Amino acid sequence: EAGVAQSPRYKIIEKRQSVAFWCNPISGHATLYWYQQILGQGPKLLIQFQNNGVVDDSQLPKDRFSAERLKGVDSTLKIQPAKLEDSAVYLCASSLSDRVSYNSPLHFGNGTRLTVT
Amino acid sequence: RKEVEQDPGPFNVPEGATVAFNCTYSNSASQSFFWYRQDCRKEPKLLMSVYSSGNEDGRFTAQLNRASQYISLLIRDSKLSDSATYLCVVNLEFSGGYNKLIFGAGTRLAVHP
Repeated sequence: EAGVAQSPRYKIIEKRQSVAFWCNPISGHATLYWYQQILGQGPKLLIQFQNNGVVDDSQLPKDRFSAERLKGVDSTLKIQPAKLEDSAVYLCASSLSDRVSYNSPLHFGNGTRLTVT
Repeated sequence: RKEVEQDPGPFNVPEGATVAFNCTYSNSASQSFFWYRQDCRKEPKLLMSVYSSGNEDGRFTAQLNRASQYISLLIRDSKLSDSATYLCVVNLEFSGGYNKLIFGAGTRLAVHP
């Protein structure tokens, strides 16, 4: 099966600019996640969608970050305006259901490496 | 206190060595547990689940101690290809049926010839 697709792979922007990332989950996966992974840290959940509804966005900095999942399939994550501390890898993941287990694990995309200068 | 804590390492071991990683978690309501492996500049991938009775998959053994809120991963007969960062992951289940994975910062393993 095709994996989670993300684009772009790399992005370099200046602070205060805007940037958008795109994710296409595995076909049929209802749950989609955006994680932020800062160098030397584990992935931190930014937002979780179940189909096209938001389940958890408690750690999303809503003053500058936004995300949507139209039609319950693809998703975009936007940062506007970017700050230096947003430099990180942005990982999209999907799972068959919202009950993650060994039989329904999280599948990650390759990530987008963002550098804010 | 962090929700999931791991020794960051790095653990530098020779091929064939046995190495153990520990992880503690703070939320006693945590329901399920996993170890993920992350290679340098790659995405995390599921290595194994951690069951209450302990479980083994080839050279890898995972154990859980709910009373102490402690998880471990043991790797026997280390291979060069085991070099990676190992992420401890705790799954919290919330009312309403959704769950949330909390990742530790990871423990880095370097296996040398």
